[in-house]
Amino acid sequence: QVQLVQSGAEVRKPGASVKISCKASGYTFTSYYMHWVRQAPGQGLECLGIINPSAGSTSYTQRFKGRVTMTRDTSTSTVYMELSSLTSEDTAVYYCARRATGAQVFDYWGQGTLVTVSS
Amino acid sequence: DIVMTQSPDSLAVSLGERATINCKSSQSVLHSSNNRNYLAWYQQKPGQPPKLLIYWASTRESGVPDRFSGSGSGTDFTLTISSLQAEDVAVYYCQQYYNTPYTFGQGTKLEIK
Repeated sequence: QVQLVQSGAEVRKPGASVKISCKASGYTFTSYYMHWVRQAPGQGLECLGIINPSAGSTSYTQRFKGRVTMTRDTSTSTVYMELSSLTSEDTAVYYCARRATGAQVFDYWGQGTLVTVSS
Repeated sequence: DIVMTQSPDSLAVSLGERATINCKSSQSVLHSSNNRNYLAWYQQKPGQPPKLLIYWASTRESGVPDRFSGSGSGTDFTLTISSLQAEDVAVYYCQQYYNTPYTFGQGTKLEIK
């Protein structure tokens, strides 16, 4: 069965960076794009960007360009999302989400990783 | 970016009654090439990631109960739960996948009256 398992919660100080992992299993890793979506406490959902695990190519939401980097390791079927220059506004649960083929919706999600930015 | 606006922000419905959630996009998400609406609905329960319910505005994801239905076209869409069950208490989000960045509505919190 398809599973996306994310790394554990992180606490960072303002100005620091954080790198989160998302390990995929149960399907051909390179056949599906992966998105990263975040949700601030009590708030809605916001897309940070997308990675093509086959080519490694990425596309980032404009407001995160320069701060976000998405990478992948095909040998371990893992995608990574690194966010730098953290502020308190980056405190959120970060999800990886697999994009379906056909309808480009998110059919499987990771369990989420809470990133807390606090001095 | 396409702005998605849901109404209402919260909704309380009695068990067995109908629940209706609306979603409006700032521009049409109907693609002329295939006449499909690039609109999805998700359900999120506390402490869980969102779950895909409906895509192409009206196609139910496999395993989703048929009391959930989606309708609409262009810029105006509706999610209907025909007979509310206790397990349907959640926050519901619409999402457009017509343009990147994919954007979500602010969410509608559905509770039992």
